[in-house]
Amino acid sequence: NAGVTQTPKFRILKIGQSMTLQCTQDMNHNYMYWYRQDPGMGLKLIYYSVGAGITDKGEVPNGYNVSRSTTEDFPLRLELAAPSQTSVYFCANQGTGTGYTFGSGTRLTVV
Amino acid sequence: QQPVQSPQAVILREGEDAVINCSSSKALYSVHWYRQKHGEAPVFLMILLKGGEQKGHEKISASFNEKKQQSSLYLTASQLSYSGTYFCGTEFTSYGKLTFGQGTILTVHP
Repeated sequence: NAGVTQTPKFRILKIGQSMTLQCTQDMNHNYMYWYRQDPGMGLKLIYYSVGAGITDKGEVPNGYNVSRSTTEDFPLRLELAAPSQTSVYFCANQGTGTGYTFGSGTRLTVV
Repeated sequence: QQPVQSPQAVILREGEDAVINCSSSKALYSVHWYRQKHGEAPVFLMILLKGGEQKGHEKISASFNEKKQQSSLYLTASQLSYSGTYFCGTEFTSYGKLTFGQGTILTVHP
């Protein structure tokens, strides 16, 4: 039982490049989230989804896009990477009345 | 509206107790508590729904004061494994979006 799986674990991007951070779950939860965590800081919500086909912006959505075509997958797309997007990205899901289950994270560096 | 955690850092010796507070300026539906070890993902500890309930998890428990919109996390008889950064996450509706505090760094020494 994998839970929430994120790939890749590490990535270095050049300014202006694009990439997709993958997130998949095997828990059949409707609610899924993308957060970013800058060094020594808390987590900021980028996008979230309450079910397949439904997504909405969080606190810091600029420069990112998401899609949710299935319950299992919630990829995060970075277009035109900028140094300000250097961060650790966490995907999470949530069942009814329970806490979040986080993936192991993706460490992204934009140079 | 990011919740405010206090203190920012705590240093303990094994066996000592600690309290971490989380305050919101807005009415809360629930409060979550997570622990994050260095280089790892946050791990869920407990959730408290409005109603002022108290919950426990081994030697870690928490309370939720709905009047004050404040939650407190109690760590008793601390162990080395308790070291890490503790985050509260606050939820204003039942739709699941959490806003996290800035974290409290807890260090337990032998």
